[in-house]
Amino acid sequence: EPEVTQTPSHQVTQMGQEVILRCVPISNHLYFYWYRQILGQKVEFLVSFYNNEISEKSEIFDDQFSVERPDGSNFTLKIRSTKLEDSAMYFCASSVRDRPNYGYTFGSGTRLTVV
Amino acid sequence: DQQVKQNSPSLSVQEGRISILNCDYTNSMFDYFLWYKKYPAEGPTFLISISSIKDKNEDGRFTVFLNKSAKHLSLHIVPSQPGDSAVYFCAASEEDSWGKLQFGAGTQVVVTP
Repeated sequence: EPEVTQTPSHQVTQMGQEVILRCVPISNHLYFYWYRQILGQKVEFLVSFYNNEISEKSEIFDDQFSVERPDGSNFTLKIRSTKLEDSAMYFCASSVRDRPNYGYTFGSGTRLTVV
Repeated sequence: DQQVKQNSPSLSVQEGRISILNCDYTNSMFDYFLWYKKYPAEGPTFLISISSIKDKNEDGRFTVFLNKSAKHLSLHIVPSQPGDSAVYFCAASEEDSWGKLQFGAGTQVVVTP
């Protein structure tokens, strides 16, 4: 069964450093998303992306965050200057259509630890 | 921002019996509701969805019921199997913003032999 692949599975970074989280969505999917889950809290929407531009973003997704689809297969989330509160599990998801009845396929996540 | 609530943090059920998971919501603009299952160290896995124009959707062992007037939905798993032990998330989205899922806090289900 096709999978959404995320790398790395765990990243530790120092506060103030830039990090790039990588995702390879399912090949025929056209809609891409990033979510995060802070330990002990709910899964939260960050951003949706379609046709090489952001469709929607949450209040969390401020100027420190950016997304890119650099080469037609990867989908990346960049955090420019990490803060302690950015420590979370980050999930990438993709969908063939932006319709809930198709479901959204999530990757296994990248655990980001900011120290 | 508690638009989607799962008030039961855990549920223990015997193998072969029915598991019933509940979810309440406050946003009347929600148009679609989804259930996800999550194992440790994995991402959420889509189980089943229901549109706000329906009151029931069934897929194999999983049935979701929606009561719009009560702003309540439930997931029934029959029969429960040991592999069903996981955290179950209810999620919802508004029309024209379907990819922006609002998740509940999750319910940990443990299926005992």
